[in-house]
Amino acid sequence: EAGVAQSPRYKIIEKRQSVAFWCNPISGHATLYWYQQILGQGPKLLIQFQNNGVVDDSQLPKDRFSAERLKGVDSTLKIQPAKLEDSAVYLCASSLAGTGGLNEQFFGPGTRLTVL
Amino acid sequence: AQSVTQLDSQVPVFEEAPVELRCNYSSSVSVYLFWYVQYPNQGLQLLLKYLSGSTLVKGINGFEAEFNKSQTSFHLRKPSVHISDTAEYFCAVKGRNSGYALNFGKGTSLLVTP
Repeated sequence: EAGVAQSPRYKIIEKRQSVAFWCNPISGHATLYWYQQILGQGPKLLIQFQNNGVVDDSQLPKDRFSAERLKGVDSTLKIQPAKLEDSAVYLCASSLAGTGGLNEQFFGPGTRLTVL
Repeated sequence: AQSVTQLDSQVPVFEEAPVELRCNYSSSVSVYLFWYVQYPNQGLQLLLKYLSGSTLVKGINGFEAEFNKSQTSFHLRKPSVHISDTAEYFCAVKGRNSGYALNFGKGTSLLVTP
């Protein structure tokens, strides 16, 4: 079974530039998560989708971050404009729907973003 | 809200020695608890989880953890570590009625040397 795919794996940009990350979840997984993992910290949930609807985006900095999952499968996370403090690994995870979020979350390898 | 404190940022240990990675949580409601492992340049992988029932939970790769409600702890243990266990370990908590979000600790770096 293919895992969660993410691209690109690495990205270096200048501050104030834009960047986009792509995630393809495991086939059949209705729930998709984006996490931000700053060096030396644990992952922090940015946004969660159930199919193509947003379940939780309370920790997404909406002035610069946006995410979509238009067809309920792939998802993109965008930062515009980027700040130095956005340097982090962006992890995508997916899980089956239901059971109050207790289904195992499967994580992709992440995209390491460096903002100069 | 729930939070997790991982008491050790780094744990060095010799191969075949036992190890314990400590995790304490804070919550005003009942919780579910998880341990994840992250190998270099890879995503997180679930090691084990406590949902209910027996407080001793066994996971993959010979790891186990014990839920202690009175001490609000969920320490991870392995009786004999291998070089391949070198990785970052994250404890995570989810409130039973708080939706889907996992709250992660800052992680403990386990370094196993010969």
